[in-house]
Amino acid sequence: GDSVTQMEGPVTLSEEAFLTINCTYTATGYPSLFWYVQYPGEGLQLLLKATKADDKGSNKGFEATYRKETTSFHLEKGSVQVSDSAVYFCALNTNQAGTALIFGKGTTLSVSS
Amino acid sequence: ETGVTQSPTHLIKTRGQQVTLRCSSQSGHNTVSWYQQALGQGPQFIFQYYREEENGRGNFPPRFSGLQFPNYSSELNVNALELDDSALYLCASSLAGMVSYEQYFGPGTRLTVT
Repeated sequence: GDSVTQMEGPVTLSEEAFLTINCTYTATGYPSLFWYVQYPGEGLQLLLKATKADDKGSNKGFEATYRKETTSFHLEKGSVQVSDSAVYFCALNTNQAGTALIFGKGTTLSVSS
Repeated sequence: ETGVTQSPTHLIKTRGQQVTLRCSSQSGHNTVSWYQQALGQGPQFIFQYYREEENGRGNFPPRFSGLQFPNYSSELNVNALELDDSALYLCASSLAGMVSYEQYFGPGTRLTVT
């Protein structure tokens, strides 16, 4: 079945460090791919998305490129801030009515000053 | 534009009881999905409602049921609560027909079953 695999955390970085969180997926067809962020005690916020191969999603300095050849959607940020500390979830949707988002297990990012 | 809202924020129930959680969709959205997020895990799909009918369901038993109302708000009902039902319950709304079916989440209801 369809699935998402994320690198396990926690990821601990110093402020202004470069961030990469790996995400790979398994899906039939042509899914849409997402990154969601969850701050402590809150729901999920859509961070960025890509709907077809080679698309790059970007938001708030974060980027991810939809790589169909490697079935990957890695999240990157050039310079993290303390306020980026959160749990990050990679997810896919198979773009069919009635289907759900399929999430990875999440990666906790902790940024220190 | 009004975002997705959920009530209550927190809830404590006893094993065997029944619970109802509520969700109001983001303005303009006609589809609601419910997810269960256990501690330290990613959200798991429970079911989805569109035009007041269930049109998709995950691997959850029938004691998890729902409703969608004409104004697109929704309820999640769980009967015969079990300890393992303790989790954050997330509601997400979307607009059917969008290319990416992207979903927007509410803040969640934290359910504790004792």
